[in-house]
Amino acid sequence: ILNVEQSPQSLHVQEGDSTNFTCSFPSSNFYALHWYRWETAKSPEALFVMTLNGDEKKKGRISATLNTKEGYSYLYIKGSQPEDSATYLCAVRGTGNDMRFGAGTRLTVKP
Amino acid sequence: DSGVTQTPKHLITATGQRVTLRCSPRSGDLSVYWYQQSLDQGLQFLIQYYNGEERAKGNILERFSAQQFPDLHSELNLSSLELGDSALYFCASSVTSGGSTDTQYFGPGTRLTVL
Repeated sequence: ILNVEQSPQSLHVQEGDSTNFTCSFPSSNFYALHWYRWETAKSPEALFVMTLNGDEKKKGRISATLNTKEGYSYLYIKGSQPEDSATYLCAVRGTGNDMRFGAGTRLTVKP
Repeated sequence: DSGVTQTPKHLITATGQRVTLRCSPRSGDLSVYWYQQSLDQGLQFLIQYYNGEERAKGNILERFSAQQFPDLHSELNLSSLELGDSALYFCASSVTSGGSTDTQYFGPGTRLTVL
């Protein structure tokens, strides 16, 4: 069974703070990991896709790393802005071709 | 705007009824995925179609079925509706059959309310 866990569930930070959250998954059943950003009243928007151990991806102030051997990925946001407020979802595609989403980390950035 | 369209935006119906949700993928995308998001659960993968054929199946109930037509649009049929089927239903599309690096683009969702 492909269980994807995200922590923390929610996070409140001040504008300008840097923050990070975690996505954990079983390393034995891994094919690819996707990070999505989901703003309220909108649909999930793709941020990164990662497949290889040690992968690092960056998009502006947001970056992500992947460790497939120990089964986790970190998402980092540098210098958080109020517009970064959203739920960040990770999804893991397993060898069985399905896609499992974590419950998400809800980030609130206060001005 | 992801380029994926879903209709209707909202649907209110009664228990026992049957509804059809429609999804048009981005131009050029061959795969369509259906997801359900209930209040107390995260996004649950239901089913994937690629170029008209079922490709992968997730937690889809027997009362639910889907198909993808030759023009690549897809429909999700939900029958014998129960109160617990009330949820936000998303459709997503991707270019290929869902290879490991295939990005999925999500539509705006259809909110189904079963009374």
